[in-house]
Amino acid sequence: AQSVTQLDSQVPVFEEAPVELRCNYSSSVSVYLFWYVQYPNQGLQLLLKYLSGSTLVKGINGFEAEFNKSQTSFHLRKPSVHISDTAEYFCAALGAAGNKLTFGGGTRVLVKP
Amino acid sequence: AAGVIQSPRHLIKEKRETATLKCYPIPRHDTVYWYQQGPGQDPQFLISFYEKMQSDKGSIPDRFSAQQFSDYHSELNMSSLELGDSALYFCASSPGLAGAEEETQYFGPGTRLLVL
Repeated sequence: AQSVTQLDSQVPVFEEAPVELRCNYSSSVSVYLFWYVQYPNQGLQLLLKYLSGSTLVKGINGFEAEFNKSQTSFHLRKPSVHISDTAEYFCAALGAAGNKLTFGGGTRVLVKP
Repeated sequence: AAGVIQSPRHLIKEKRETATLKCYPIPRHDTVYWYQQGPGQDPQFLISFYEKMQSDKGSIPDRFSAQQFSDYHSELNMSSLELGDSALYFCASSPGLAGAEEETQYFGPGTRLLVL
């Protein structure tokens, strides 16, 4: 069984400041990791994913994430946020043995001017 | 690029009524997943289909059933609706079951169901 924990439920941040959203996973098997973004009243959009290879993954909208196997983490970062980044961000894991995504509880990012 | 299509986008039903949600996957995607997202919660996996066969099952109530058709679209049928069924229902599709790239799931915009 696997689980995903997002350590911060809300992250307020000023415009043009950096942001880091923390995600830890637990799994007895190798996992594939994803970050999705959900804008208000919209569906889930894939930001980036880690499947294998380089541990630093770059995604859309200037986001990147680093897979750290020893710390079982997959933290999401953006060096400078915009007002339009206000959204809920979900970390998710896909176990090698199954095909269903397990989501973290979500982190709500509120970008202030 | 074509995305996952879900219909209807909004649905209002009364308790004990039935509802049918439809999902049209991205072209050439043969795997479909259904998730339920309650208010303020993360999405929970309900059920998935690969090549028209059920491939995995999550926390789907017995009152719900789903299937995938020959054109790969899927329908989620919900009967005896309860107030607690009010949620956002997502469909996602992926290219297939084999390999990590093929398992990346792309989500539709969701159907917001309100049960009164």
